[in-house]
Amino acid sequence: DAGVTQSPTHLIKTRGQQVTLRCSPKSGHDTVSWYQQALGQGPQFIFQYYEEEERQRGNFPDRFSGHQFPNYSSELNVNALLLGDSALYLCASSSGQGLYGYTFGSGTRLTVV
Amino acid sequence: DQQVKQNSPSLSVQEGRISILNCDYTNSMFDYFLWYKKYPAEGPTFLISISSIKDKNEDGRFTVFLNKSAKHLSLHIVPSQPGDSAVYFCAASGQVVGNQFYFGTGTSLTVIP
Repeated sequence: DAGVTQSPTHLIKTRGQQVTLRCSPKSGHDTVSWYQQALGQGPQFIFQYYEEEERQRGNFPDRFSGHQFPNYSSELNVNALLLGDSALYLCASSSGQGLYGYTFGSGTRLTVV
Repeated sequence: DQQVKQNSPSLSVQEGRISILNCDYTNSMFDYFLWYKKYPAEGPTFLISISSIKDKNEDGRFTVFLNKSAKHLSLHIVPSQPGDSAVYFCAASGQVVGNQFYFGTGTSLTVIP
């Protein structure tokens, strides 16, 4: 049984470009959350999607947007990339709110140059 | 504003001894706490959780203690094994604060054979 699958695993982009990261949740999970983990920091909540809608959002600018598809998979889009957007982006899936723990993917390492 | 803090960035312990990882939080509305373990190049994996109605939860070699009055939790690993070497994150959430988890910055545990 596959867990959470994220693609790509690594990505290098130039400042000002746009990027799309993808996530397939664990089988049976209907909720997808995205986290940004900067070097030496803990993961920070970006937003959560449930029933194809953004249910909650963390303290991230509108350059960060997302989408959830009917099959529960999700995309994270970041526009006008800044050097400070370089980080590990983690997707986590859960059933419902996930208060009993998420299943995390291995992440996408984004480097902005 | 770091609502969850792990003040020890690293910890080294001899194999067979006890590892104690600490975590402090500031938001009294948190009522659910998790510990995650993260190996390099992998996403965090759920380890153990505790609800604020309890002060202790055990799962095999892992025990989490919660002191609500001190806003402090700790993870005890007994006995420590070399395979426990990883970065450990504590995370907190609550019904009132919404669907996101707030993570600490992590403690890197090294178990020396």
